[in-house]
Amino acid sequence: AQSVTQPDIHITVSEGASLELRCNYSYGATPYLFWYVQSPGQGLQLLLKYFSGDTLVQGIKGFEAEFKRSQSSFNLRKPSVHWSDAAEYFCAALRSGGGADGLTFGKGTHLIIQP
Amino acid sequence: DAGVIQSPRHEVTEMGQEVTLRCKPISGHNSLFWYRQTMMRGLELLIYFNNNVPIDDSGMPEDRFSAKMPNASFSTLKIQPSEPRDSAVYFCASSRTGGSPEAFFGQGTRLTVV
Repeated sequence: AQSVTQPDIHITVSEGASLELRCNYSYGATPYLFWYVQSPGQGLQLLLKYFSGDTLVQGIKGFEAEFKRSQSSFNLRKPSVHWSDAAEYFCAALRSGGGADGLTFGKGTHLIIQP
Repeated sequence: DAGVIQSPRHEVTEMGQEVTLRCKPISGHNSLFWYRQTMMRGLELLIYFNNNVPIDDSGMPEDRFSAKMPNASFSTLKIQPSEPRDSAVYFCASSRTGGSPEAFFGQGTRLTVV
């Protein structure tokens, strides 16, 4: 079955420190991959996406993610976090090749920023 | 573009009552998705439509749940009768198949059934 795994439920990072959120997927073929962010009481906002090509993708708010086929991973990174980055982060996957499938989401990682 | 618009933002209802959630997708998007978010189960896909046609409703939890998309700019998710365990945040999302397939989400409807 298709699945997305985010192994860390909570992560605490000091403001100004670097961040890496982990995501692994299990699909028959490499899916399209996404990272979304959700602030309290808000909907999900797309941070970045990977379809093909360059394995390092840049997103909004200074985030980037690296696709590693050998590890079935798509980890999200940021060199220096800000207090406003505190939120819930979701990794998601979509079967590639077209069609109107729905996204499969990981359980999310709650990011806490320490002053 | 105004994005995906959901209404109401909050709904409190009594057990046994009918609840209708509404969604207006982004203009030009031809796929629409309904998700449910709870602490226990995370984000679950309930149903999705392509060109107004339901494609997969296997995520709909029970017959009490139904969804319609009468035209390209409107969809409803109905729960009848509602139960306390239906309390959750319900999200609508839309995307454009054939192009860049990322989904855009509405702000959600927080449903509380008492």
